[in-house]
Amino acid sequence: SQELEQSPQSLIVQEGKNLTINCTSSKTLYGLYWYKQKYGEGLIFLMMLQKGGEEKSHEKITAKLDEKKQQSSLHITASQPSHAGIYLCGADKGGGNTPLVFGKGTRLSVIA
Amino acid sequence: SAVISQKPSRDICQRGTSLTIQCQVDSQVTMMFWYRQQPGQSLTLIATANQGSEATYESGFVIDKFPISRPNLTFSTLTVSNMSPEDSSIYLCSGSGNLAYEQFFGPGTRLTVL
Repeated sequence: SQELEQSPQSLIVQEGKNLTINCTSSKTLYGLYWYKQKYGEGLIFLMMLQKGGEEKSHEKITAKLDEKKQQSSLHITASQPSHAGIYLCGADKGGGNTPLVFGKGTRLSVIA
Repeated sequence: SAVISQKPSRDICQRGTSLTIQCQVDSQVTMMFWYRQQPGQSLTLIATANQGSEATYESGFVIDKFPISRPNLTFSTLTVSNMSPEDSSIYLCSGSGNLAYEQFFGPGTRLTVL
């Protein structure tokens, strides 16, 4: 079965600093999803990557999928307190419209 | 994108009772899924809610404990039966949109069992 490893498990950064979260899959990824979760709440969809080498950006967040489609990174530029939360990567099992397998998450704290 | 709502948002229940969680999507979705997130853990798939037929359960989850209904393409319910403190979790439903590679989540139901 597919497993996703996220690193780091937790991260504390100073406001204004850049940071990167990594997600590594045990198998080739068909689709890689990034979500953000505020404590105890639902998941907010950030981005979805499908193609090797693909890169997507939204505001100050950029996600990349490597050429081999086994690793993804999420980069936040000039972090703000609003970026704090848990970031989860999820992989679909192939073909779309399938449930997701999730990593354990990265807890991000942004301090002033 | 689809907007998903869940009821209740949270509940505190007594051991041995049952709770039904409702999931409503504002548009028709192909697939609906139910996940559980135990304290400090990531999401684990409980089952796929199939419209008009029995849900498909993941290993470790059974219909008697987690009966699921999906009467149409916008609505599903998950019941947590005969609850124990180990069932204390956040339960989330998700919908897979008309585009194959979309999946949106509800706000979750935080369940505490005493």
